[in-house]
Amino acid sequence: ETGVTQSPTHLIKTRGQQVTLRCSSQSGHNTVSWYQQALGQGPQFIFQYYREEENGRGNFPPRFSGLQFPNYSSELNVNALELDDSALYLCASSPTVTAGGYTFGSGTRLTVV
Amino acid sequence: RKEVEQDPGPFNVPEGATVAFNCTYSNSASQSFFWYRQDCRKEPKLLMSVYSSGNEDGRFTAQLNRASQYISLLIRDSKLSDSATYLCVVNMKGGGGSNYKLTFGKGTLLTVNP
Repeated sequence: ETGVTQSPTHLIKTRGQQVTLRCSSQSGHNTVSWYQQALGQGPQFIFQYYREEENGRGNFPPRFSGLQFPNYSSELNVNALELDDSALYLCASSPTVTAGGYTFGSGTRLTVV
Repeated sequence: RKEVEQDPGPFNVPEGATVAFNCTYSNSASQSFFWYRQDCRKEPKLLMSVYSSGNEDGRFTAQLNRASQYISLLIRDSKLSDSATYLCVVNMKGGGGSNYKLTFGKGTLLTVNP
């Protein structure tokens, strides 16, 4: 059984640029959610996708957007990067939207300079 | 009030000690509850789900009190390998939609010393 995979593992971007992070969900999982984890903090919910539709969003500005594809893989896009966007971005998948017990990918560490 | 609050820590204990982690949550409509473990610079990994009846997995015991909106994790006979950050996680409704989202506490760092 393939777990959750994220790419790239590390990324350095300049303030104002745009970035796309990718996630392949675990086989059989139709729900994907994205989290931002700043140093010393718990992960913060960005948004969640269920069967290609966004079905929940946290307190993040519209420049954070996403997609889920028919194979349930997902992208997180961030426009107009700010220094405070530097964080570990985690993708997690679950077999259903209410199951909980999500499986996390190893994350993408984004540094904005 | 934060949606999920944990003991701030950090905890430093000797091997063999018993350690207790406490957590409270604010949303009474929360559906499911978990403890995750996160090693330094790694992703969170599910340690155990938490049920109202209480559940045990080896040296780990988790309890949920829905009336008090309180969750706990007890680690007995702690090992060096238990050193990690422990995250209290609640699956609750919200996030601008009608569905559930995982809400994390800030985490409590545990260091087990030889």
